[in-house]
Amino acid sequence: EAGVAQSPRYKIIEKRQSVAFWCNPISGHATLYWYQQILGQGPKLLIQFQNNGVVDDSQLPKDRFSAERLKGVDSTLKIQPAKLEDSAVYLCASSFSSGGPQETQYFGPGTRLLVL
Amino acid sequence: GDSVTQMEGPVTLSEEAFLTINCTYTATGYPSLFWYVQYPGEGLQLLLKATKADDKGSNKGFEATYRKETTSFHLEKGSVQVSDSAVYFCALLVRYIPTFGRGTSLIVHP
Repeated sequence: EAGVAQSPRYKIIEKRQSVAFWCNPISGHATLYWYQQILGQGPKLLIQFQNNGVVDDSQLPKDRFSAERLKGVDSTLKIQPAKLEDSAVYLCASSFSSGGPQETQYFGPGTRLLVL
Repeated sequence: GDSVTQMEGPVTLSEEAFLTINCTYTATGYPSLFWYVQYPGEGLQLLLKATKADDKGSNKGFEATYRKETTSFHLEKGSVQVSDSAVYFCALLVRYIPTFGRGTSLIVHP
């Protein structure tokens, strides 16, 4: 079974530029998560989708971050414009169904973003 | 809000030593509890989980017991190996929303 795929693996941009990350979850997984992991900290949930609907986006900085999951499969996360403090690893994860108490999340390798 | 507190790292041990990594939580609901592990150069992966009070999760020689009275989910292993060197994350899930701790780095020397 193929795992969660993310691209690109690394990205370096200057502040005020735009950047987009892509995630392809495990086939058949209904729930998709985007996390931001700043160096030395744990993953912070940015947005959670179930199929193509948003379950939670309370920690997504909506003035600059946006995410979509068309057709309930793969997803893109965009930052526009980027700030220095956005430098982090962006993790995508998926789980089989509704994120209930038994749900196991499967993580992708992450995209490491450096904003200069 | 919900939160997870883990002990500061790095934790440095010799091979075959006993491991404890402390994790306590605050949750407004009744959470499920998880330990994830991130080996060098790899993505996070589930190590073990427990969904109700007094449940014990176990995997690969690691164990953790869901203690509702002390709001804790400490990770233990009786004899660590060099291959256990990794970053360990405690996490909770309540009302379908996950919250992670900061992670604890474990370094095991031969």
